[in-house]
Amino acid sequence: DAGVIQSPRHEVTEMGQEVTLRCKPISGHNSLFWYRQTMMRGLELLIYFNNNVPIDDSGMPEDRFSAKMPNASFSTLKIQPSEPRDSAVYFCASSRQGASYGYTFGSGTRLTVV
Amino acid sequence: KQEVTQIPAALSVPEGENLVLNCSFTDSAIYNLQWFRQDPGKGLTSLLLIQSSQREQTSGRLNASLDKSSGRSTLYIAASQPGDSATYLCAVNAGKSTFGDGTTLTVKP
Repeated sequence: DAGVIQSPRHEVTEMGQEVTLRCKPISGHNSLFWYRQTMMRGLELLIYFNNNVPIDDSGMPEDRFSAKMPNASFSTLKIQPSEPRDSAVYFCASSRQGASYGYTFGSGTRLTVV
Repeated sequence: KQEVTQIPAALSVPEGENLVLNCSFTDSAIYNLQWFRQDPGKGLTSLLLIQSSQREQTSGRLNASLDKSSGRSTLYIAASQPGDSATYLCAVNAGKSTFGDGTTLTVKP
């Protein structure tokens, strides 16, 4: 089991550019979560999917953020246009049946917007 | 709205000491509670998962307890080692999870 795989590990981009973060959940996990972590706000849930369907996107900060899960093995989080305040570590996590069996986190993508 | 508090925010102990980290939550209608460890610049590693029907879980030197009625969980670390130095977070799961801000532990050799 390769775990939850995120790419890229690090991303540095200029303000206004589009950024796409990628996540491959653990095979057999039907729930996927995107989190953002900053020193000021800690871990924040942005959006989560059950069976590829977005269930709760109330944590998505604004319309510049969008997430998709076209199939059970792939999800993207897109920021367009990016702003310096989006700089954070973005984590993807997956689980079986919501959080009934707990989460497994990926290693995260450290995003820096300059 | 679920609120999760972890106390203390930081803890420094000498090697070999036993210690307890605390997690409290406001809404007892939970599915489970999970403890994670996070090393600097790294992701979250799951340590223990306690279902709402359970009272405790053990893994090696770690023991986590859950008192759902009082909204509390503790993580007990026995015979601490410098390698235990990290930030420990608890996550309360009720459909979606709410994380505490973590306790940063430093174990001095």
